[in-house]
Amino acid sequence: DAGVIQSPRHEVTEMGQEVTLRCKPISGHNSLFWYRQTMMRGLELLIYFNNNVPIDDSGMPEDRFSAKMPNASFSTLKIQPSEPRDSAVYFCASRGLTRQYFGPGTRLTVT
Amino acid sequence: KQEVTQIPAALSVPEGENLVLNCSFTDSAIYNLQWFRQDPGKGLTSLLLIQSSQREQTSGRLNASLDKSSGRSTLYIAASQPGDSATYLCAVDSYSGGGADGLTFGKGTHLIIQP
Repeated sequence: DAGVIQSPRHEVTEMGQEVTLRCKPISGHNSLFWYRQTMMRGLELLIYFNNNVPIDDSGMPEDRFSAKMPNASFSTLKIQPSEPRDSAVYFCASRGLTRQYFGPGTRLTVT
Repeated sequence: KQEVTQIPAALSVPEGENLVLNCSFTDSAIYNLQWFRQDPGKGLTSLLLIQSSQREQTSGRLNASLDKSSGRSTLYIAASQPGDSATYLCAVDSYSGGGADGLTFGKGTHLIIQP
């Protein structure tokens, strides 16, 4: 099993640009989660999906953030327009029966 | 809203010592509790998962306990080694009426084991 796959691993962009982060969950897992990690706030849940349906997006910081899961094997997190305060590590995780498995993360730097 | 607190925030001990990391949570309605390890600039490695019906889990030199009624968990590390140096995160998987929610993380304990 390849585990949770995220791309890109690193992203550097200028303020105002659109950023798209991608995640491929573990096959057979029916829940997918997006988290953000910053020094100040630690790890925070942004949004999660069950069976491709968004369940709770209360953690999404602003309307500039959006997430989609068009099918069971792919999800995107989009930031438009990006701002320097969005700089963080973004983790995707998927869950089958009990445990969440995390991807390696995408380190986003917005200059 | 679930809140998770980890104490201490940082810990530095000489090699060979046994140590305890603490985690507390405010809402006892949980599915499970996980302990993770994170090395600098790296991702999350799951160490132990305790189901809400369990009291403890063990893996090698690690032992995690759960007291759901008091909202506490501890991670015990025996015979610490320099390779144990990392940040240890406690995370609670809560549930609402609709099912399991995402994980709520503590801020972590930054552990340094001195050779």
